[in-house]
Amino acid sequence: ETGVTQTPRHLVMGMTNKKSLKCEQHLGHNAMYWYKQSAKKPLELMFVYSLEERVENNSVPSRFSPECPNSSHLFLHLHTLQPEDSALYLCASSQEFRRVYNEQFFGPGTRLTVL
Amino acid sequence: AQTVTQSQPEMSVQEAETVTLSCTYDTSESDYYLFWYKQPPSRQMILVIRQEAYKQQNATENRFSVNFQKAAKSFSLKISDSQLGDAAMYFCAYRSGSGGGADGLTFGKGTHLIIQP
Repeated sequence: ETGVTQTPRHLVMGMTNKKSLKCEQHLGHNAMYWYKQSAKKPLELMFVYSLEERVENNSVPSRFSPECPNSSHLFLHLHTLQPEDSALYLCASSQEFRRVYNEQFFGPGTRLTVL
Repeated sequence: AQTVTQSQPEMSVQEAETVTLSCTYDTSESDYYLFWYKQPPSRQMILVIRQEAYKQQNATENRFSVNFQKAAKSFSLKISDSQLGDAAMYFCAYRSGSGGGADGLTFGKGTHLIIQP
């Protein structure tokens, strides 16, 4: 596969479940991101990883737990979510150099529904 | 904190005509980047065009061009010769240029562009 892939594409879970979202980038990038896209709201940055280290945590509740085991993979572990967490979760990656910016490439997203 | 505002929730244009999507932003920084992203119904977000704030010349990519007014903090997107495939949500986004590494994007709420055949 090419580009940025995300699995699953759709997920329905109860508030007491534990699930994980997976993102994989095949572009040789060194930075990865999680965004949340809710209806009627702008995309919200959740987490940023650069060279497998978390460099930004945008005041996200602890029921969302990211993991970046290597530069190609990014996970978002979910537990005890609330119905308002239902959204499209987008993963992105980019190749970062100090003060040189390259575009972010996005995955297709995971549509999450919390019952 | 930076904010991005897209005041047009929806725009409609006839095929082959020109449409302009507006975007304004608020920042105290002088070094930054601006982007327009397109999100078709398939949901894969793709970059349309980008502008470095230190460049005065407006960016152009084929039928897509921007009108960057730094003093007014305005960054509009013009689509010429609109095609059916241009129908999508369009997001304006901001990124700080002062960071030393990876930085996330700040997005507007988006404009839904409809192309009338």
